[in-house]
Amino acid sequence: DQQVKQNSPSLSVQEGRISILNCDYTNSMFDYFLWYKKYPAEGPTFLISISSIKDKNEDGRFTVFLNKSAKHLSLHIVPSQPGDSAVYFCAASPSNMRFGAGTRLTVKP
Amino acid sequence: NAGVTQTPKFQVLKTGQSMTLQCAQDMNHEYMSWYRQDPGMGLRLIHYSVGAGITDQGEVPNGYNVSRSTTEDFPLRLLSAAPSQTSVYFCASSSLPYREGTEAFFGQGTRLTVV
Repeated sequence: DQQVKQNSPSLSVQEGRISILNCDYTNSMFDYFLWYKKYPAEGPTFLISISSIKDKNEDGRFTVFLNKSAKHLSLHIVPSQPGDSAVYFCAASPSNMRFGAGTRLTVKP
Repeated sequence: NAGVTQTPKFQVLKTGQSMTLQCAQDMNHEYMSWYRQDPGMGLRLIHYSVGAGITDQGEVPNGYNVSRSTTEDFPLRLLSAAPSQTSVYFCASSSLPYREGTEAFFGQGTRLTVV
């Protein structure tokens, strides 16, 4: 029973354009959401988070949007850079993190 | 900064063998956890600990044991390895169970193959 779903296994965008990665969740008890980035042969690294009392959080080129009524969150990367090419995991938590399957982002020069 | 250190990085086991994956953190974090990553499945929680002497099961605990005798170390034991345990294993630590402002730090992973 996957409580956190990332339905797009891959996404390809042109350098300089916007990347939008999506995530859906089913458990209404989730109150804290995180995005992690993972390069090959490395552990995931924290990117940005948002609590359920907010609907938007920004950190530089990265913005996370939360729509609680739709149980949906998205990560926007503007502008996208080739170094952003990685697998992005969405995670949700009331206490322990539950992860989505990940989306592989490729940013083409 | 060492952060979270996992050993070994790679391991090949025969079915039925046992082994321990080591995880150590130097950030004085109370909360530690083990995940496995499989294609199309994301990261799934195996076991976690909220402090020395306290452990609990995650989503996929069968076939694994853990203990937490110190704040720094959280080893994961495979009792009798099975091919279904072929995976990449990640250890993570954080200062608290995940609340706003908390992030988990991950080790570099252990790639385990059971033949």
